[in-house]
Amino acid sequence: DTEVTQTPKHLVMGMTNKKSLKCEQHMGHRAMYWYKQKAKKPPELMFVYSYEKLSINESVPSRFSPECPNSSLLNLHLHALQPEDSALYLCASSQEGLAGDLYEQYFGPGTRLTVT
Amino acid sequence: KNQVEQSPQSLIILEGKNCTLQCNYTVSPFSNLRWYKQDTGRGPVSLTIMTFSENTKSNGRYTATLDADTKQSSLHITASQLSDSASYICVVSAGGGSNYKLTFGKGTLLTVNP
Repeated sequence: DTEVTQTPKHLVMGMTNKKSLKCEQHMGHRAMYWYKQKAKKPPELMFVYSYEKLSINESVPSRFSPECPNSSLLNLHLHALQPEDSALYLCASSQEGLAGDLYEQYFGPGTRLTVT
Repeated sequence: KNQVEQSPQSLIILEGKNCTLQCNYTVSPFSNLRWYKQDTGRGPVSLTIMTFSENTKSNGRYTATLDADTKQSSLHITASQLSDSASYICVVSAGGGSNYKLTFGKGTLLTVNP
């Protein structure tokens, strides 16, 4: 099983809502990532978890809050978002992260988020 | 400043033809270079990963080359198929551990027409 799943596929939320994106992998990977991708732009790294600990936060606003409850799950909690936060949010995992950087990253299909 | 430049921005070819996409980078310290294929609205799929000691790597009809001296890479697609229509992204990894950093190119949008 080389699949990374993400739910929901689409999400529309108002600026006062609180919602969460979910990512799951069962490949035994120890590194998981959140990326944000705007239309016709490359993905931008947001967060990296390595062994369930937050290792990298690329200066992401606090209205995005990541959580890694266990080695298979990664959540992204959303609160008080702005319309410019509308984008495709991609989750990825790799066997090892950071020091084991040579390992391939497997991406999920993404969650298309629209903030109204 | 770490940068990855890809060319061309977009490319249209006929089915069955070959094509080559280019990637130039200024990333330090270099760790590895990856090529991804991304279909519209989907997550990227890895095609190849190369370290500085690897000159070429193939994955089916995809062949990537790397010249670490000139900091250039290319992705060659042979006998293109309609399903090859996608964005191809070059990604360079720098450092490791707490210095981990991925720099993404803007991608080349490939369209394969019948």
